[in-house]
Amino acid sequence: DTTVKQNPRYKLARVGKPVNLICSQTMNHDTMYWYQKKPNQAPKLLLFYYDKILNREADTFEKFQSSRPNNSFCSLYIGSAGLEYSAMYLCASSRGQGEDTQYFGPGTRLLVL
Amino acid sequence: QQKVQQSPESLIVPEGAMTSLNCTFSDSASQYFAWYRQHSGKAPKALMSIFSNGEKEEGRFTIHLNKASLHFSLHIRDSQPSDSALYLCAVSYQGGRALIFGTGTTVSVSP
Repeated sequence: DTTVKQNPRYKLARVGKPVNLICSQTMNHDTMYWYQKKPNQAPKLLLFYYDKILNREADTFEKFQSSRPNNSFCSLYIGSAGLEYSAMYLCASSRGQGEDTQYFGPGTRLLVL
Repeated sequence: QQKVQQSPESLIVPEGAMTSLNCTFSDSASQYFAWYRQHSGKAPKALMSIFSNGEKEEGRFTIHLNKASLHFSLHIRDSQPSDSALYLCAVSYQGGRALIFGTGTTVSVSP
């Protein structure tokens, strides 16, 4: 089973409110990634966990938090949503790091009003 | 930072024709190059990948990589309507720890 699941599939949030997105995989993959995808733009890597080590991109360092309580689950947390956070959020996992095939979830569409 | 660009932005090809997609990158030290495909409303899915210069063929799909020219491409032989999708190229960076994606090429194969 190469399924990556994301919850919820759609999320409506108010400006200034927190948002928590969940991702799970049962493939025992070491690495889990979070991407932000806006229309006509490339998926933008926000952060990734390799095992228990969190790596956050420099330009999104302060905007997104994450936790990985066990190998299967990974969350993406926005402390105070702004209009610019409206996007599709894609979770992916891979057995190793970047040079291994990434398996993507269906995404969570976040709309901030 | 690594920059990855794709061309064209969109493409319409007749069924049975060859589809050719291009990807350029900026970091000559990159080691891993991949193509992903995303059908409408679905998750992106890995299609093919390559490490070394040259060509790799899997069924109707062929990747060409030329590191010296910072370019790789995907060719789809005998294109089918089921090949209609968004195609994303990806290149490794951060010492191979992660991928950076291009903006994608939307392919429509007309019956």
